Amino acid sequence: TQLLEQSPQFLSIQEGENLTVYCNSSSVFSSLQWYRQEPGEGPVLLVTVVTGGEVKKLKRLTFQFGDARKDSSLHITAAQPGDTGLYLCAGAQGGNYQLIWGAGTKLIIKP
Amino acid sequence: DVKVTQSSRYLVKRTGEKVFLECVQDMDHENMFWYRQDPGLGLRLIYFSYDVKMKEKGDIPEGYSVSREKKERFSLILESASTNQTSMYLCASRTGTNTYEQYFGPGTRLTVT
Repeated sequence: TQLLEQSPQFLSIQEGENLTVYCNSSSVFSSLQWYRQEPGEGPVLLVTVVTGGEVKKLKRLTFQFGDARKDSSLHITAAQPGDTGLYLCAGAQGGNYQLIWGAGTKLIIKP
Repeated sequence: DVKVTQSSRYLVKRTGEKVFLECVQDMDHENMFWYRQDPGLGLRLIYFSYDVKMKEKGDIPEGYSVSREKKERFSLILESASTNQTSMYLCASRTGTNTYEQYFGPGTRLTVT
């Protein structure tokens, strides 16, 4: 059973467009992380959100943690080809060592 | 800069062979993880280690074993490789303190023929 659902699974848009990807669950998380993975490489951490309702910005990327800490979104403004990659969300629950992973959103930005 | 290295980027093995995947981190992290990644399935945890010589099964440990004799090194062993173990294998580490961020190696793409 996948506890974190990411949508859409795949998104292909033109450079300059805006987009939002989602990470949803029925479970509550103590924190949630977003990673980006480029082809042939391991995931790289982008951000961690901890507080319900928290919004974090990383240049053109805006991350939001839902008020109930069950969901999160990633919004990209004026997407660029360098944003291409697989975006993964991962949730932490209490003192558990493990992260719960979503299956990812594959994003392609066409020049 | 934090660094996690994996012994091979690409590996091709035959069915029934014993396969060793090595992972080394230079950050003095306590926790280390082995995942496999398959299209549409995300990252699935095979094993993790929260300290030297300590290990715990993840979600899909069948067909795999691990070894952690030194803090910086975590090895994944496929005792008898099978074609359904063809996958991307990712190693990760984290500090073990009050943070969940994981640092990943570049991955090993294993093909079993």
